Amino acid sequence: GNSVTQMEGPVTLSEEAFLTINCTYTATGYPSLFWYVQYPGEGLQLLLKATKADDKGSNKGFEATYRKETTSFHLEKGSVQVSDSAVYFCALGSNRDDKIIFGKGTRLHILP
Amino acid sequence: EPEVTQTPSHQVTQMGQEVILRCVPISNHLYFYWYRQILGQKVEFLVSFYNNEISEKSEIFDDQFSVERPDGSNFTLKIRSTKLEDSAMYFCASSGRTSGRAGTQYFGPGTRLTVL
Repeated sequence: GNSVTQMEGPVTLSEEAFLTINCTYTATGYPSLFWYVQYPGEGLQLLLKATKADDKGSNKGFEATYRKETTSFHLEKGSVQVSDSAVYFCALGSNRDDKIIFGKGTRLHILP
Repeated sequence: EPEVTQTPSHQVTQMGQEVILRCVPISNHLYFYWYRQILGQKVEFLVSFYNNEISEKSEIFDDQFSVERPDGSNFTLKIRSTKLEDSAMYFCASSGRTSGRAGTQYFGPGTRLTVL
């Protein structure tokens, strides 16, 4: 069945460092891909999405490109801030049903 | 910006008791969902609801669970007889329609359920 695998955390970086959080997926058909973010004590917020191959989702300086050939959707940001500290979830939405399948989440700590 | 809201933010209950978790989806959305996240684990799909009926449910969503849209704005999840393992954060989500099928899902802030 469909699944999402993302890198284990926690990831600890200094402010202004470059961030990559790897995400790969297994799916039949042509899924939509998402990154959700969960700030401490809050719910899930949609960070960005891509609905077809080679699409790039972007928001708040974060980017991820839908790579069908490598079945990946890695999250990147050029210069992280302390306020980016959160848990990041890679997720997949099938075009056969409506449920979203989440990865296990990657906790990100940004040090000042 | 419209958002999904959930009440209560935290619910504590005794094992065997019934609980009802409430959600107000975004007003023009047609698809509604419940997910849960056991502490430290991944977010798991429970159920989807469209046109006043369940469209899909997971293995987790057994006979102890039910969903209802009692009026035009609320969407509820009922757990009939809670178990310790039901302790989790429960997220409601809703989506509109895009090209004939459900669009992007937007999540509420969650209800933390603690079963003692």
